[in-house]
Amino acid sequence: QSALTQPASVSGSPGQSITISCTGTSSDVGGYNYVSWYQHHPGKVPKLIIYAVTNRPSGISNRFSGSKSGNTASLTISGLQAEDESDYYCSSYTSSFTYVFGTGTKVTVL
Amino acid sequence: QVQLVQSGAEVRKPGASVKVSCRASGYTFTTYDINWVRQAPGQGLEWMGWMNPNSGNTGYAQKFRGRVAMTSNSSTSTAYMELTILRSEDTAEYFCARGLFAFDSWGQGTLITVSS
Repeated sequence: QSALTQPASVSGSPGQSITISCTGTSSDVGGYNYVSWYQHHPGKVPKLIIYAVTNRPSGISNRFSGSKSGNTASLTISGLQAEDESDYYCSSYTSSFTYVFGTGTKVTVL
Repeated sequence: QVQLVQSGAEVRKPGASVKVSCRASGYTFTTYDINWVRQAPGQGLEWMGWMNPNSGNTGYAQKFRGRVAMTSNSSTSTAYMELTILRSEDTAEYFCARGLFAFDSWGQGTLITVSS
């Protein structure tokens, strides 16, 4: 199972919106509505920010939103803030009854 | 509140095995899968496998099949991940994470260093 493809880095200015893509195949992203997104500050524990493509866990800002089209899922961060600077990973359930993570995206707030 | 507390850092020689524990509290242990995820230095997150504490069923990433075993002890609400035939590339932070289809609570991580 190959890792899902994410851009290595995305940047934006405070207040702007950015979008991170997560591309897989029909055997993972495209085949199931079980894409989740994680924020991971280096040295800390990953944090779930989106589950089941579009849903936010309790306590997660509504500045984070998720979507999916075909084999590509996306995470949008609106109203970018300095605290959003972090690594972001997507994950998907797969047809092999396993999971796979994306390659990870480093978000920089300019 | 939900907590997953992992065992401490370990150092092993190549070819050896290591067993990491993950003690759960704050919820009914048997009602959620436990997954194991690792992150090697400078690398991304890598999913290793899942275990259902109620049924004992497991599912492993193909890369680790034959070398990993995930088990649990419901009486102590503890999950275990054993990785054998260790090589230097297995040096990483290992996390347990609760959940089915998404991982909503994570352990603090256990650093495993493989070095001769």
